[in-house]
Amino acid sequence: KAGVTQTPRYLIKTRGQQVTLSCSPISGHRSVSWYQQTPGQGLQFLFEYFSETQRNKGNFPGRFSGRQFSNSRSEMNVSTLELGDSALYLCASGRDTTVTYNEQFFGPGTRLTVL
Amino acid sequence: AQSVTQLDSHVSVSEGTPVLLRCNYSSSYSPSLFWYVQHPNKGLQLLLKYTSAATLVKGINGFEAEFKKSETSFHLTKPSAHMSDAAEYFCVVSVRSGGGADGLTFGKGTHLIIQP
Repeated sequence: KAGVTQTPRYLIKTRGQQVTLSCSPISGHRSVSWYQQTPGQGLQFLFEYFSETQRNKGNFPGRFSGRQFSNSRSEMNVSTLELGDSALYLCASGRDTTVTYNEQFFGPGTRLTVL
Repeated sequence: AQSVTQLDSHVSVSEGTPVLLRCNYSSSYSPSLFWYVQHPNKGLQLLLKYTSAATLVKGINGFEAEFKKSETSFHLTKPSAHMSDAAEYFCVVSVRSGGGADGLTFGKGTHLIIQP
């Protein structure tokens, strides 16, 4: 079974631009979550989608948004990029959010550099 | 709200000796706990998970962890370190409250160094 895939793997943007990252979950997984990883802040939860609905959101500004399509694929968008948005963005998928645990499987990430 | 504290930012052991990575958690509800490993320039791989079944959890590559509720700890151990174990390790807590997901809360990570 194919794992979580993320595109693109690397991205370079300039301040003020916007960016869209894509994530394809493991087949059969309906939950997709996004995380930001930086050396200073570590791994931080951005948001989670399940059946095209945002179920939960972390503590990030409104410039960070996402959506999920009917095939469970997800995109996240960052508008008006700032230098501090440079990070590794990780996508994770899970089978079912109604179970008592929340095991997630991670993709390789998209490395975003903002110049 | 939940939180995770990994007590050591770096741990260095010799190949063939035991590994101990320490993790304490805080949670208002019964937590699920995980250990993930991240090799350089790679994504995160699940090592093991605790979901209220057995308190001693065995994972991949010879790792195991013990859930101790009285100590709010979930330390990761391995009897004998291998060079390929060198990586960043994350202790993670997940709490499900009111039926919704709170996402995963990550510790700051422990960098495991294996000396030849």
